[in-house]
Amino acid sequence: DAGITQSPRHKVTETGTPVTLRCHQTENHRYMYWYRQDPGHGLRLIHYSYGVKDTDKGEVSDGYSVSRSKTEDFLLTLESATSSQTSVYFCAISDRAGTSTDTQYFGPGTRLTVL
Amino acid sequence: GNSVTQMEGPVTLSEEAFLTINCTYTATGYPSLFWYVQYPGEGLQLLLKATKADDKGSNKGFEATYRKETTSFHLEKGSVQVSDSAVYFCALTPSNDYKLSFGAGTTVTVRA
Repeated sequence: DAGITQSPRHKVTETGTPVTLRCHQTENHRYMYWYRQDPGHGLRLIHYSYGVKDTDKGEVSDGYSVSRSKTEDFLLTLESATSSQTSVYFCAISDRAGTSTDTQYFGPGTRLTVL
Repeated sequence: GNSVTQMEGPVTLSEEAFLTINCTYTATGYPSLFWYVQYPGEGLQLLLKATKADDKGSNKGFEATYRKETTSFHLEKGSVQVSDSAVYFCALTPSNDYKLSFGAGTTVTVRA
C-alpha cells in the first residue's frame, strides 16, 4: 500500500468555522490531489498540486484553498465551513510525470460533518 | 467535456454469480480508462486499467476491455465472492491530461 495518511479521519464542526485537513505521503510523489465523495457524484476533484508551492483548481474548488510547502504534505482548508461541504474527503498521489496513464493512489479518507 | 457514465446500482448477487458493470465514456482522442474499487470503510484502490484501444485490463478475476468503437469499458467477473462486495468506480484521464474523471460508482453486494 502507498504510504498515505490523512488527518483527522473524522471531524464534526460548526458552520462558519475554519477547517484544515492534512494529507501526508511517504512516497516522495510529485502529484497530489484532493477529492470529495458524495452520493451520486462519484469523486470530484477539488484542487491538485504538481509540485511544492504549485497548485491549481479542480472542478469544485469554490470555498476551498490548498497549500503545499513540502513534498510530503498537502493541506486542504475550508475557510468558513458550510453544510454543503459535509462530505468524505480523499487525498491521492501519483508520480509518473503527469501522464494520462498515471495511477493514482488514495488515502483512507476524512469524514467531515458540518452542522 | 470528459465524462463517465456507469450503470446505477445497487447490484445484489449471490456468490458464484456473473457480474457485469457497464461503463461508457465521452472524451476526445484516446483516454486511459480505469476501474477503482472501494471496500467498506476504505479509500479507493486501483483494480485494473487499460491505456489504449483493445487493451484488456485484468486483476483478481476481474476483466475489462477498452472498446473504442463503443466507447465502453465494462467490468466483468465470472464468479463473485462475498469479499467482492464494494463500490466500483469507472474513471478516465484524457490523452492530454492526468486528472481523473469518475463515474458515480456502483454498489455491489454479494450474498452467501
